[in-house]
Amino acid sequence: DTGVSQDPRHKITKRGQNVTFRCDPISEHNRLYWYRQTLGQGPEFLTYFQNEAQLEKSRLLSDRFSAERPKGSFSTLEIQRTEQGDSAMYLCASSASGGISTDTQYFGPGTRLTVL
Amino acid sequence: LAKTTQPISMDSYEGQEVNITCSHNNIATNDYITWYQQFPSQGPRFIIQGYKTKVTNEVASLFIPADRKSSTLSLPRVSLSDTAVYYCLVGFMNTNAGKSTFGDGTTLTVKP
Repeated sequence: DTGVSQDPRHKITKRGQNVTFRCDPISEHNRLYWYRQTLGQGPEFLTYFQNEAQLEKSRLLSDRFSAERPKGSFSTLEIQRTEQGDSAMYLCASSASGGISTDTQYFGPGTRLTVL
Repeated sequence: LAKTTQPISMDSYEGQEVNITCSHNNIATNDYITWYQQFPSQGPRFIIQGYKTKVTNEVASLFIPADRKSSTLSLPRVSLSDTAVYYCLVGFMNTNAGKSTFGDGTTLTVKP
């Protein structure tokens, strides 16, 4: 399968713990996005990378959230001191930019986070 | 910021054509319109994208009027497996990756 993969698929943690999620994009895609989705809502943009550079961050991304994309390949999203309000599906997407491309995003299956 | 408005839900029957309309009154000149499909516990899946007039692929058609203030996703002869949430997204990702929002989507329920 050459699509976007995310690990783990499910994570249950206790409030106050740190969690880290991983995303492996489609290999030739230079852009990588993170979204958060809660039940009944559409995905909310968190941040995106072009290669290894983090170019944009949403106001939703508090200081407890950090994302990295070393070497412009896989990415990690870390949440420190988790709160119950962080419970959501965390989605990763990738795309290939360039020219007049409209940057169609391809999504992974998501990581479901439950904070107890 | 290109905000979109879609019906919250729609019902249909197998074999019928379904049209879902999205309003985007403040669409910008460079913005494209993209539709995604999402099943429970899965990430959104790209369906179709267009800028103006009509676009057709193997699964859907997208109709965009001249003023581009709305768009209609057309699904021909739906089946039970088309039951999903459909999102309309407006933006030009190359320069505004974070400026486009998914909205809450349209939940399509296909009945036998």
